[in-house]
Amino acid sequence: RKEVEQDPGPFNVPEGATVAFNCTYSNSASQSFFWYRQDCRKEPKLLMSVYSSGNEDGRFTAQLNRASQYISLLIRDSKLSDSATYLCVVNIRETALIFGKGTTLSVSS
Amino acid sequence: DVKVTQSSRYLVKRTGEKVFLECVQDMDHENMFWYRQDPGLGLRLIYFSYDVKMKEKGDIPEGYSVSREKKERFSLILESASTNQTSMYLCASSQVAGLAGALLSTDTQYFGPGTRLTVL
Repeated sequence: RKEVEQDPGPFNVPEGATVAFNCTYSNSASQSFFWYRQDCRKEPKLLMSVYSSGNEDGRFTAQLNRASQYISLLIRDSKLSDSATYLCVVNIRETALIFGKGTTLSVSS
Repeated sequence: DVKVTQSSRYLVKRTGEKVFLECVQDMDHENMFWYRQDPGLGLRLIYFSYDVKMKEKGDIPEGYSVSREKKERFSLILESASTNQTSMYLCASSQVAGLAGALLSTDTQYFGPGTRLTVL
């Protein structure tokens, strides 16, 4: 099983749609979980951390399921500006993070 | 605001040349990282450093070396560049966030703008 696995997509959705991404990780001892966003030809930037109790930031909701070893990102009311690649990130070993290959989202009008 | 800078945005080198990629961060972060990003392969960790003069191999260290002589600066060195090292190179830094217990977890990683290296 790959350390961090995501569906690469692309996910093509209309404006206003709700879209969800899932990510699975292999190491049950992982402690930190994040979603990063990467725009075309730009560096990755933190979108949000993922907490055990789940957390929400505006239209974005992140959830963690430790038992099944997956995290999710839900985007409500999609905007054109949400078009990007979303990277699932997990810490596997001390001081280093492992990045998934990313899920591409394309929101169209 | 955290700033991570990389010495070049675009670089073209010839096979066999020695290449230096420089990264500087201004937030006194403990950890620094070098990744390469290739289509279909995602971000892959080359080397990281958790303190001055300390370095650890990542997933793909072959053909690369690193240097961390000062806390704010982390250099990636390609001793003899090859065409398969054509890639986007991203530097990142983070502060270590301590947890109760033995395991330390990393804080957010902040990335530089990347260097697109082409080896001819």
